[in-house]
Amino acid sequence: QKEVEQNSGPLSVPEGAIASLNCTYSDRGSQSFFWYRQYSGKSPELIMFIYSNGDKEDGRFTAQLNKASQYVSLLIRDSQPSDSATYLCAVRAGGTSYGKLTFGQGTILTVHP
Amino acid sequence: DAGITQSPRYKITETGRQVTLMCHQTWSHSYMFWYRQDLGHGLRLIYYSAAADITDKGEVPDGYVVSRSKTENFPLTLESATRSQTSVYFCASSESWPSQETQYFGPGTRLLVL
Repeated sequence: QKEVEQNSGPLSVPEGAIASLNCTYSDRGSQSFFWYRQYSGKSPELIMFIYSNGDKEDGRFTAQLNKASQYVSLLIRDSQPSDSATYLCAVRAGGTSYGKLTFGQGTILTVHP
Repeated sequence: DAGITQSPRYKITETGRQVTLMCHQTWSHSYMFWYRQDLGHGLRLIYYSAAADITDKGEVPDGYVVSRSKTENFPLTLESATRSQTSVYFCASSESWPSQETQYFGPGTRLLVL
């Protein structure tokens, strides 16, 4: 079983719609959760991080964390063609595991006009 | 502000050769990381370093060697390259923990081992 799993893609949504990206993790002691965006041929860049249960909003992006169910999601409202990219979920376990991020395999999102 | 740079950006080598990938950051970040990215596997941690002269293994360290004599540099060496090490390699850095653990990635090095 993979430690961090993302919903299989690719995901295609029309411009202006809400894109929903999901991620589950196996380590119940995980402490920090990150969403990175990666354009084709480029390096990952951080979109958001979340540490506590609930929602965290930043512009058109909302991260949702549910530690009891061990999932974290990313909602993109009013999706734009420029949001088309691969989205990577990353999780850090608790304790002394600083630096050891475990990434999911990524979900490819395509926003079509 | 150069941030984090990697060199070379592209490299073709042959099986059995030694290859060193360079990573340099100008932020004086304490932590540095090496990942490889392969289709179907996502990003996997090879090695990381908490400070100069402090390094530790990640998920897939076999066949790789790292050193960190200076805070700003974190070279990754493939001692005897194999075809399975064909990949895209990303270096990353972060400031400190727990206050600032966001990792910032370099542009990547595409390595092809023939």
